[in-house]
Amino acid sequence: DIVMTQSPDSLAVSLGERATINCRSSQSVLSRSNNKNSLAWYQQKPGQPPKLLISWASTRESGVPDRFSGSGSGTDFTLTISSLQADDVAVYYCHHYYNTPPIFGPGTKVDIK
Amino acid sequence: EVQLLESGGGLVQPGGSLRLSCVASGFTFSNYAMSWVRQAPGKGLEWVSGIPSSAYRTYYADSVKGRFTISRDNSKNMLFLQMNSLRVEDTAVYYCAKEGAVAGLPLFDYWGRGTLVTVSS
Repeated sequence: DIVMTQSPDSLAVSLGERATINCRSSQSVLSRSNNKNSLAWYQQKPGQPPKLLISWASTRESGVPDRFSGSGSGTDFTLTISSLQADDVAVYYCHHYYNTPPIFGPGTKVDIK
Repeated sequence: EVQLLESGGGLVQPGGSLRLSCVASGFTFSNYAMSWVRQAPGKGLEWVSGIPSSAYRTYYADSVKGRFTISRDNSKNMLFLQMNSLRVEDTAVYYCAKEGAVAGLPLFDYWGRGTLVTVSS
């Protein structure tokens, strides 16, 4: 199975500042069939189910604010929140869907400083 | 609007059984693979089981293989998870999740609100 790691475990950022979360997979999740990385990012607020923010490492889902962006390829990926808003307080998970079983990272908790 | 509504959770003793259900609406259920994903209290997300649109085969995490059975009824837009030989470590919120448009790729684009399963004596 592919192992997913995230760093940091948590971070606190001032309103309007940048938040950066890193994710690493134990093997490449670059699909040879479409040359895309099978990596997604989810946001989970307390008491709510996860919400898909980004798929294919960098494609924002419809309705997701453009302050959220994803980057990376192969085994190393980043989620960036360019200007943190109060509504962004949540736990963020990366997730590979390259094969079965799909695996989630352990999560990064984002708070306001 | 896509909606997924889980039910069937509750308190059960170790070794017991439960059957979870998920009713789907707002999309053509029979066209999409579905999965169950769980989250233990205060912990992260763990994929449990998946089933393709036609149910031609099923997939399980090693932690539940041989104890859980996933199934679906496309005529009723419903997904099920039969859980037998339950263990304390199966305690979690169980989410029903719709997979995305690309068949065979377990990318979860919509989630239900979950149903809580508690295994305790």
